[in-house]
Amino acid sequence: AQKITQTQPGMFVQEKEAVTLDCTYDTSDQSYGLFWYKQPSSGEMIFLIYQGSYDEQNATEGRYSLNFQKARKSANLVISASQLGDSAMYFCAMREGGGTSYGKLTFGQGTILTVHP
Amino acid sequence: EAQVTQNPRYLITVTGKKLTVTCSQNMNHEYMSWYRQDPGLGLRQIYYSMNVEVTDKGDVPEGYKVSRKEKRNFPLILESPSPNQTSLYFCASSLRTQVSYEQYFGPGTRLTVT
Repeated sequence: AQKITQTQPGMFVQEKEAVTLDCTYDTSDQSYGLFWYKQPSSGEMIFLIYQGSYDEQNATEGRYSLNFQKARKSANLVISASQLGDSAMYFCAMREGGGTSYGKLTFGQGTILTVHP
Repeated sequence: EAQVTQNPRYLITVTGKKLTVTCSQNMNHEYMSWYRQDPGLGLRQIYYSMNVEVTDKGDVPEGYKVSRKEKRNFPLILESPSPNQTSLYFCASSLRTQVSYEQYFGPGTRLTVT
């Protein structure tokens, strides 16, 4: 079974509007961390935001927020006031705390976001 | 500046010709890892290292070797590359393996095997 699922291969949004990128995860660990990375066309991986499984508040970083619904095992990324520079591939990833994961990041398939002017 | 560096950034090679992709970090991180990125599959872990002389297989280790003789360096070796190893490769490091520690990624190495 997929540990991280991103069901939206591509998303479009108008500049200045908000957009939500979906991510669901599957783990039996109590301790885990969820990450979102941005990959622009240049290829580098840019860390955006982190949410720990024990964090009670949703994480926020500037225009990025993470809508964490633990019972539903979802960790959606919300980008407010989209900008043209937000056009990129976005990856959701999980780091599990169990002994067999050894710090590995498990990634979803990615969502390509296109921001229209 | 804290960073992870990889070399080369781009490489075109032929089947069977041994190659090494270097990775170095200047943050004194214990944990280092190699990932490959393929369309529709996201990033998958190839090998990881918990510390010097401690390495182990990730999800897709076949056809790859690694070594960790110094804390800062974690080279990826393809002894006999094949076309199915054409991919975008990332090296990453983090201070610890615990869930809250962010992994810092190198700029990526785009490898083409013909």
